[in-house]
Amino acid sequence: DGGITQSPKYLFRKEGQNVTLSCEQNLNHDAMYWYRQDPGQGLRLIYYSQIVNDFQKGDIAEGYSVSREKKESFPLTVTSAQKNPTAFYLCASRDSLAKNIQYFGAGTRLSVL
Amino acid sequence: QKEVEQNSGPLSVPEGAIASLNCTYSDRGSQSFFWYRQYSGKSPELIMSIYSNGDKEDGRFTAQLNKASQYVSLLIRDSQPSDSATYLCAVILTGGGNKLTFGTGTQLKVEL
Repeated sequence: DGGITQSPKYLFRKEGQNVTLSCEQNLNHDAMYWYRQDPGQGLRLIYYSQIVNDFQKGDIAEGYSVSREKKESFPLTVTSAQKNPTAFYLCASRDSLAKNIQYFGAGTRLSVL
Repeated sequence: QKEVEQNSGPLSVPEGAIASLNCTYSDRGSQSFFWYRQYSGKSPELIMSIYSNGDKEDGRFTAQLNKASQYVSLLIRDSQPSDSATYLCAVILTGGGNKLTFGTGTQLKVEL
């Protein structure tokens, strides 16, 4: 069953804690993206990676970090430097063979305790 | 000026009517345009993509693109209560990375 899997579905962060959100895809897509969505807002790009071992900052990268060691995986770490982390986090991958359509995982909802 | 603009709504239409959702964008060089549907608490799902001027139809959905006016729209015919959702317009702007820039979305309510 092909798709994008995000885990966990819900995550709680304590003050000063780093947390990592998982994103795995078995679609053989080269490019992967992380977005943040706040209530009533559109999606804002945090980081993206077009190939393994390479990634670029998006519009709101401060307080976040990523890695891309495998084609299938693109984890996002929300660091303690991100002072307002409560949001819905969405991972996407892009099908370069289908006119660059991006497909999304089910999302992770992060809240602060 | 925002790069991708949508009216936030809510847009209310009666069941069976045509819903018209609009989006404008600032980058004249943009070539790829997408409409995503997002139900409350869920992730976006692709409804339509459009790349050339004119209309593109898929079932009850029609996307319309006018690059000269920097305008893209989505028409939903025979609107159903299940169409009630937020519709996100997304554009790949020039500048590399094939990054999507999203509007804030238009909330559609289809009333019985």
